[in-house]
Parts: sequence; C-alpha cells; structure tokens
Amino acid sequence: DSGVTQTPKHLITATGQRVTLRCSPRSGDLSVYWYQQSLDQGLQFLIQYYNGEERAKGNILERFSAQQFPDLHSELNLSSLELGDSALYFCASSVLAGGGFNTGELFFGEGSRLTVL
Amino acid sequence: AQTVTQSQPEMSVQEAETVTLSCTYDTSESNYYLFWYKQPPSRQMILVIRQEAYKQQNATENRFSVNFQKAAKSFSLKISDSQLGDTAMYFCAFMKLRGAAGNKLTFGGGTRVLVKP
Repeated sequence: DSGVTQTPKHLITATGQRVTLRCSPRSGDLSVYWYQQSLDQGLQFLIQYYNGEERAKGNILERFSAQQFPDLHSELNLSSLELGDSALYFCASSVLAGGGFNTGELFFGEGSRLTVL
Repeated sequence: AQTVTQSQPEMSVQEAETVTLSCTYDTSESNYYLFWYKQPPSRQMILVIRQEAYKQQNATENRFSVNFQKAAKSFSLKISDSQLGDTAMYFCAFMKLRGAAGNKLTFGGGTRVLVKP
C-alpha cells in the first residue's frame, strides 16, 4: 500500500460527458502529480501541484483541469470527453512536509481506469 | 527537455535465469535521479530501484541491480534469478533535481518482461 488513494477505481461514461477523479496523497506529502497511461503505453505527465499551487505542466489538454485543495487532496477534471481519453489515470505524491527527507521517489496510487464509450 | 528511451519492447526469460533491460536518456542536467518502476498486471506502479547520478556505485536491491554509465547516459536493469512474479512491464524513469518541491518523473515507453516456467 503506497498510501496514495484514488477514487473511483473504475469509471465508464459517454462521449461529451465530464468526470472528476480524486486523489488523496500520502499523509504529509505536499506534491501531487497526475499521469495518463493509455493502453500499453508509457506514462505521460499531465500536471503537478505543490502545496496548492500549480508547479509544472505537461501535455495536458485544455479540456482537462486540476486543482489541489487546502487539505492537499487533488482533483482532475476531464470534460467534453472523447474516445481517446480512455486511459488509466495515475496520481502520485512526494515530498514530506516539515522538512522530511525527499528521496525523489514518487508514490503512486492504484489508478482510475476511465472508459469513454 | 529530457527524454528516456527503452529500445526493447518485449523480452522473455526462463525462470531462474538473468535478463537485462536497456535504458538510455538524454539530459543536460548534472544532478538527477534515475529509477526503474515495475508495473505488474495489477497495474500498480512499484519502485524497483533508484540511482542518484552523483553516486558512482551502482545501486542494488536484492536480485535487481543497475549498470549506470553517466557519460554514456545509459541505465540498464539486471534481474537475476528471475521469478514468475517478475513478469511485468518495466519502466525506466528520469527525475531532475531542482528545488525542494519535488519534480516530475519522465518515463520511457516500457519493456514487457515475461518470465517462463
């Protein structure tokens, strides 16, 4: 158990719809990262938040948005869904608050599998 | 931008034998981490091994070891005494070291490893 919790685990929806994926990082971790993994592909970095602020942006579509809340959980919003958005969406966290040693490791949740029909 | 390349899409190995996975990367950074992550059929991302670029000694974790060649920008993973549970997708990943907020991982495309009984 990595300590990172993602909900829902599975989601099936239709094209044009909007969904929200939720992530709770490991206790005390300040950074949250979102990745997209399409079928049999590598992980593509979408976006990073650090302590509530956007820190880095990858190849995230304009139809997608994210935020990190004061309690450090994060949500990834996907709108106007297309068939090609079907993928496994991972959340990861790192960096302990309070000066904890940063080993560089990202801790991954189990992913949210999105199927767009 | 950093890129990570895994040139072997698939590899198979007999149980108890050794297999080596290749990874090359491109960066202008001097301080960074390199990782191998394992993704079994459950799709969970599991850290296998980590290497700090400033360390000349190759990292080892039980049956897993790396051959880190900084000048050649090469980072291969050796799995010794392969076990059926090693069957998984293996991803090489790069992380530059800047700031205290944590940094994203850049992943290679993955190598699928099948351990045969």
